[in-house]
Amino acid sequence: AQSVTQLDSQVPVFEEAPVELRCNYSSSVSVYLFWYVQYPNQGLQLLLKYLSGSTLVKGINGFEAEFNKSQTSFHLRKPSVHISDTAEYFCAVSALNQGGKLIFGQGTELSVKP
Amino acid sequence: KAGVTQTPRYLIKTRGQQVTLSCSPISGHRSVSWYQQTPGQGLQFLFEYFSETQRNKGNFPGRFSGRQFSNSRSEMNVSTLELGDSALYLCASSLGDRLQETQYFGPGTRLLVL
Repeated sequence: AQSVTQLDSQVPVFEEAPVELRCNYSSSVSVYLFWYVQYPNQGLQLLLKYLSGSTLVKGINGFEAEFNKSQTSFHLRKPSVHISDTAEYFCAVSALNQGGKLIFGQGTELSVKP
Repeated sequence: KAGVTQTPRYLIKTRGQQVTLSCSPISGHRSVSWYQQTPGQGLQFLFEYFSETQRNKGNFPGRFSGRQFSNSRSEMNVSTLELGDSALYLCASSLGDRLQETQYFGPGTRLLVL
C-alpha cells in the first residue's frame, strides 16, 4: 500500500519570495509521483510528474520538484511566487502497476500575499 | 483536444435518493477513474474502469457503483444517499496502458445531500 504525507497544511508567503511545499511518501513498490494544483471551484491540474530518469522535474508555471529516493520525498519548489499561485497543491503517487489509482496527500494551501 | 467533461456540475439531492454522475474522457483515453473530495477525508479513490471493466476499487461501500460504456464514457451511481456523501466528485481519464500513466481531471460534480 502507498501513503502520502504533505507536511504543511498551509503555507503563507509573500509575492516574489521562494516557496517549497513538502511531500513524503511511503510505498513497498516503485511509484510514479505527481503534483497537482486545484484553484477554487475547479478540478485538478497537473503541474508536473516524475516517472523515471532525471530526479529534477520541471513543470508548468515555473514549478519544479526533486525526487529523492533515499528520503522518499518529492518536494515542490518555485523560486519566485505570484499572487496567481494562490491555490491548493496536492502531491500524489501511483504504483507502477496501478496507473489508474492515485493516492493523494491531504493538500497544502499556498497563500501568496502582496 | 477537448478535456474531461463532467455533468452535471452541481446537484442537490435529499437523503435516501440516488444519483448518477457522468464523465466523458479525453478522446482516445480508455481509462476513467473516480475520486471523492471532502474537507475531512481529502481526495479518495473510488474506482477505475478500463474497457468497460472495473479494474481497481477503493474502500467505499457498495452503494457506490459505476460503469463504463464502449465509447469510454463512464457513469457513477450512488444509491440511498447519506449526508456524508456530500462532496466534490472528480473523474480523471488516462490512456490506460499502465505505463507512465498520467491522469487528467475534469472540473468535478459538486453534490449536496440535504
